[in-house]
Amino acid sequence: AQTVTQSQPEMSVQEAETVTLSCTYDTSESNYYLFWYKQPPSRQMILVIRQEAYKQQNATENRFSVNFQKAAKSFSLKISDSQLGDTAMYFCAFMKQNDMRFGAGTRLTVKP
Amino acid sequence: NAGVTQTPKFQVLKTGQSMTLQCAQDMNHEYMSWYRQDPGMGLRLIHYSVGAGITDQGEVPNGYNVSRSTTEDFPLRLLSAAPSQTSVYFCASSSNRGYEAFFGQGTRLTVV
Repeated sequence: AQTVTQSQPEMSVQEAETVTLSCTYDTSESNYYLFWYKQPPSRQMILVIRQEAYKQQNATENRFSVNFQKAAKSFSLKISDSQLGDTAMYFCAFMKQNDMRFGAGTRLTVKP
Repeated sequence: NAGVTQTPKFQVLKTGQSMTLQCAQDMNHEYMSWYRQDPGMGLRLIHYSVGAGITDQGEVPNGYNVSRSTTEDFPLRLLSAAPSQTSVYFCASSSNRGYEAFFGQGTRLTVV
């Protein structure tokens, strides 16, 4: 079974600075999908960014970008120009077929 | 523009009681799934469905039943609630494998 590990339970960053959240996963598959989801205090799960494993180019969505290292099975999220509204839990997720596995999450606090 | 609607938002059950968590989506998505979220463990897949009449087990299916009689609805049934089922439950839907999963707002269930 696939496993997803987020080794940073909590992180903090100053407003306007850059922060990187780590994620590693374990799989023997070659084709799969990776995601970062944000969960603010409202509890709503919000897709931040998505990466297809067969694409070598790292995905980017405005201030959010990933560093996808397939051989190392690493999928880190970089948030640039951090904003107070980025304060949330962030979950890394792996999907193969219909099976989606989540990491335990990283609680990010953006400080003014 | 409802998306994924879960009801109820909060529920308290006594041990041994049964109940059904409702989930409906209006996006004509084929794929629907149920997750539970526990502190420090991220989201774990309970059951999923790839279309009307088709369901399958996820990572933690014990104690839960599902059915999918229509594309829109995917209820989750607890036949005999146990304190270990105290959790936050999320329903999600997506149009295809590997694409964005849209989540409902969650149901906080407490079993006493």
